[in-house]
Amino acid sequence: DIQLTQSPSTLSASVGDRVTITCRASQSISNWLAWYQQRPGEAPRLLIYRASRLQSGVPSRFSGSGSDTEFTLTISSLQPDDLATYYCHQYSKHPLTFGGGTKVKIK
Amino acid sequence: EVQLVESGGGLVQPGGSLRLSCVGSGFNFSSHWMTWVRQAPGKGPEWVANLKHDGSASNYLDSLRGRFTISRDNAENSLFLQMNDLRVEDTAVYFCSRSRELRLVRALDIWGQGTMVTVSS
Repeated sequence: DIQLTQSPSTLSASVGDRVTITCRASQSISNWLAWYQQRPGEAPRLLIYRASRLQSGVPSRFSGSGSDTEFTLTISSLQPDDLATYYCHQYSKHPLTFGGGTKVKIK
Repeated sequence: EVQLVESGGGLVQPGGSLRLSCVGSGFNFSSHWMTWVRQAPGKGPEWVANLKHDGSASNYLDSLRGRFTISRDNAENSLFLQMNDLRVEDTAVYFCSRSRELRLVRALDIWGQGTMVTVSS
């Protein structure tokens, strides 16, 4: 199975800060990686697919990059609404897997 | 509006069974792979199973194969998850979700609100 390791597990940043989350895959997944945002009590929401493509309706402050085994999600200017946990997800090979999550807190 | 609505969760004793349902609307249900994802309390999402748009192929988390069965009825825009021999560790919110591209396994762009399954004596 492909393991996805996210770092950090928790981060605290101020409104307006640039935030970067990393996801590392245990083997190559090309660019078959998605990022999701999950607020407490809600279902996950797709932000980025195919590593770098912005899902319709998602603010442009979110961006994704990477390929092969190293990926990043960047929030260019953190907003209060971004308080959530973020998960990466690979859909290159079954069983599909999710990362352990990064909880973003606002200072 | 494109949406998915799950139902069928509840409290069940260990060893019991439940059948979850998910109804899709606002899109061509029969053209999308569909997926079940679960999330135990305080944990991250865990992929459970998916099913090809025409029902001809499925994939499962290895540890669930043999106990869980995914199926669909495209005439009713419905997805199902039959769960047998339930264990305490199956306690989770179960989400139904859609693959964002037609007839391909891709990122999950539409999610239901989830249905809670609690396995406890």
